[in-house]
Amino acid sequence: DSGVTQTPKHLITATGQRVTLRCSPRSGDLSVYWYQQSLDQGLQFLIQYYNGEERAKGNILERFSAQQFPDLHSELNLSSLELGDSALYFCASSVGDAGGIYGYTFGSGTRLTVV
Amino acid sequence: AQSVSQHNHHVILSEAASLELGCNYSYGGTVNLFWYVQYPGQHLQLLLKYFSGDPLVKGIKGFEAEFIKSKFSFNLRKPSVQWSDTAEYFCAVNAPSYNTDKLIFGTGTRLQVFP
Repeated sequence: DSGVTQTPKHLITATGQRVTLRCSPRSGDLSVYWYQQSLDQGLQFLIQYYNGEERAKGNILERFSAQQFPDLHSELNLSSLELGDSALYFCASSVGDAGGIYGYTFGSGTRLTVV
Repeated sequence: AQSVSQHNHHVILSEAASLELGCNYSYGGTVNLFWYVQYPGQHLQLLLKYFSGDPLVKGIKGFEAEFIKSKFSFNLRKPSVQWSDTAEYFCAVNAPSYNTDKLIFGTGTRLQVFP
């Protein structure tokens, strides 16, 4: 157990639907990062939140959004889902905003299958 | 833009063989470098990291990596692999001067070790 909790572990949904993925960071970590892992694209950075504020944005589609709540948990919302959104979605956390030095702690991921 | 290349997509070795996985990045400034490992069905775990000092970095489970600035490389090595090293290995880079601590990952190298 890494200390980063992601729920649900698996999600199967239909095209056009909306889902919410949840991440609780490791105790004491202020930053949360979301990554999408697919077979053809590898690990793609989506977005980072630090202490409730958006800190950095990557290749995140407009159909996707995220937020970090006062208790520091984060949610990634995916809407108007397409088959190509099927992937493993990882959340990671780091101490402060120094993940670039100390690295991240990853959760186990949510496997999203869009049918 | 920063990018990370892992040229070996799939490596197959017998136990006790030596391992070297290549990682090259495309950024000319100061970088922080990481290797992560993902065992089947598990989350990504930090193997080792470099951000300053001795360019030869030792990590967990007998792994080491050498930062060669002139070659923009950070190759991962292990003198003698074990069956339990079967996993996917990801190289990642952070460029602090971009004022972000996001990590950019390579596409990964799948290592299979046979007894």
